[in-house]
Amino acid sequence: EDKVVQSPLSLVVHEGDTVTLNCSYEVTNFRSLLWYKQEKKAPTFLFMLTSSGIEKKSGRLSSILDKKELFSILNITATQTGDSAVYLCAGVRYGGSQGNLIFGKGTKLSVKP
Amino acid sequence: NAGVTQTPKFQVLKTGQSMTLQCAQDMNHNSMYWYRQDPGMGLRLIYYSASEGTTDKGEVPNGYNVSRLNKREFSLRLESAAPSQTSVYFCASRDTGAGNTIYFGEGSWLTVV
Repeated sequence: EDKVVQSPLSLVVHEGDTVTLNCSYEVTNFRSLLWYKQEKKAPTFLFMLTSSGIEKKSGRLSSILDKKELFSILNITATQTGDSAVYLCAGVRYGGSQGNLIFGKGTKLSVKP
Repeated sequence: NAGVTQTPKFQVLKTGQSMTLQCAQDMNHNSMYWYRQDPGMGLRLIYYSASEGTTDKGEVPNGYNVSRLNKREFSLRLESAAPSQTSVYFCASRDTGAGNTIYFGEGSWLTVV
């Protein structure tokens, strides 16, 4: 059965720290991996990763995919209180059930001043 | 460009009442989804629709029905609400082409008393 596992489930850091969030996946007919940030409302899109070893970057956030070891990481440098959120990753596959998307349970990040 | 619009945002129901959550997207996406999100459970797929005229069960379909009225609209109906259906509901649509990302509505907070 396909699955996406995120770790840690929760994390508390202080402003200025660097954090690494992990997402491992077992997805048949893998197509891509998506990262989302969810604050109080709907998840908002961060990155889509399809190729191994190519870093995607947006400001202080970056992400990379390893298709051999089946995982992705999301890095946040110089964290700010506004980074506090739940971060979700999702595996996208070609075909199959469940609408071709499998979400992990998320990592709750709390950034303290 | 409104993206994904869902209504209502908040609703309180009595056990046994029925209601319909409405969702519309203006991005010409083929795939649409209904998720529920509960603390510690992540996003769980209720139903999805790969295209107009088709719907499929997700992980937690019991107690729900859906209608893909046309390409834009995908509604979720609770026929006889139960307290276990108290949750936050998200509608989403997905670009199944090269973009391949999923876009979420703002969420509907439903309480069944």
